[in-house]
Formats: sequence, structure tokens, C-alpha cells
Amino acid sequence: DAGVTQSPTHLIKTRGQQVTLRCSPKSGHDTVSWYQQALGQGPQFIFQYYEEEERQRGNFPDRFSGHQFPNYSSELNVNALLLGDSALYLCASRSRPGRVNSPLHFGNGTRLTVT
Amino acid sequence: QKEVEQNSGPLSVPEGAIASLNCTYSDRGSQSFFWYRQYSGKSPELIMFIYSNGDKEDGRFTAQLNKASQYVSLLIRDSQPSDSATYLCAVTHNNAGNMLTFGGGTRLMVKP
Repeated sequence: DAGVTQSPTHLIKTRGQQVTLRCSPKSGHDTVSWYQQALGQGPQFIFQYYEEEERQRGNFPDRFSGHQFPNYSSELNVNALLLGDSALYLCASRSRPGRVNSPLHFGNGTRLTVT
Repeated sequence: QKEVEQNSGPLSVPEGAIASLNCTYSDRGSQSFFWYRQYSGKSPELIMFIYSNGDKEDGRFTAQLNKASQYVSLLIRDSQPSDSATYLCAVTHNNAGNMLTFGGGTRLMVKP
């Protein structure tokens, strides 16, 4: 049973560029959330997708956008990259978004470095 | 003001001892509380969750919640070197679905 898979594992981009990160949820899960984890800090919620729509959003600028496909996979897009966007980007999936006792399963993340 | 606070550590305990990890939160509307373990370079892994005041035990782990004091803790009994990791406390708020707010994490070191 495949867990949450993310690609790529590492990425190096230049300031001002755009990046797309990809996530496939755990089998049976239909809700995908994205988190940003800067070095030495806890993850911060970016947004959540369910039924191909953004359902909740954290305190991130519009440069961060996403998409969910009919097969529940998801993409995170970041435009106009800043040095401060360098972080580990984590995708997490779960089933039934309203049930808190359906725990999040995290992928191994994509390490983004902006130079 | 951070919504979820943890001492960054490192917290160092000898093998076999009890490790006590603490977390405070500011939003009284917080409903659910989670402890995640994160090894260096890896993704967070759920250890326990707790919703009600009191203690919840699972093997060597005990989560304790005190909503009046806005305090949640994780006790690890018989600590092992393999428990050395960063422990993240996370909460969900009223009407927040599954948006988790994480603390900065406490680094635990268990010395043989």
C-alpha cells in the first residue's frame, strides 16, 4: 500500500523563477494538504484541497497556488520565488476532511532551495 | 505571539529514563491535539492524538491534556536512543477542519 508520494525530492531554483511540486495521496485518501517547513521550525499550513477545490488556506501570499486532479493527486505552484521560500514542502493526505480522528499522513517532502 | 509553543531543547535524557515534552497553546477553541515525531531529514510521523482532558496511554507513550491550563504533554517511558528525534506538538481549532497548527518542536536526545 503506497503512502503519500512526493516529487521531486530535491529542487534548486533561482529567485524569480516558478516551481511546481507534485503529490500523490495515500491510497483511499481524497484530501490533500500542503505544509511549508523552514529549517528548525514546525510545518506551516499552506492550503487544503478536497473535491478539486481549495477548501482552507493559511497565511500565505497568492504566489502560492495549487490544484487537485480527479485522481486526488495535487500540485503546489510557487511563482516569483524568494530566498525565503527555501524550505521542506510537505504534502499530507487523509480521508473525510471533516473528521479530526482521521489522521494526516505525510509524504517525505520536497526540499526546495532558492538561490 | 505564537499559537503553539514548545521548548526547542535539546532535551537530553539517559536511556531508560522518562522523557517529558511540553506544549502550550493560546487558542481556547482548540479541539484536538497531536504529537508527531520527526527524524532529521524525514517527514513527521503521528505518535498520538488526544481530544479530552486527562491521560491517554499507548505503549511507552502517554499524552496528557489540560484544557483549563491550555497545556498538553507527552511522556516517553523507558526512553531509547531510537527515540532521539524532534517532537512536534500540533493542534486543530474550531471550524478549522484538518488544518494543523504546529509548534516549533522539541529536540530530544536519548543518551546510551
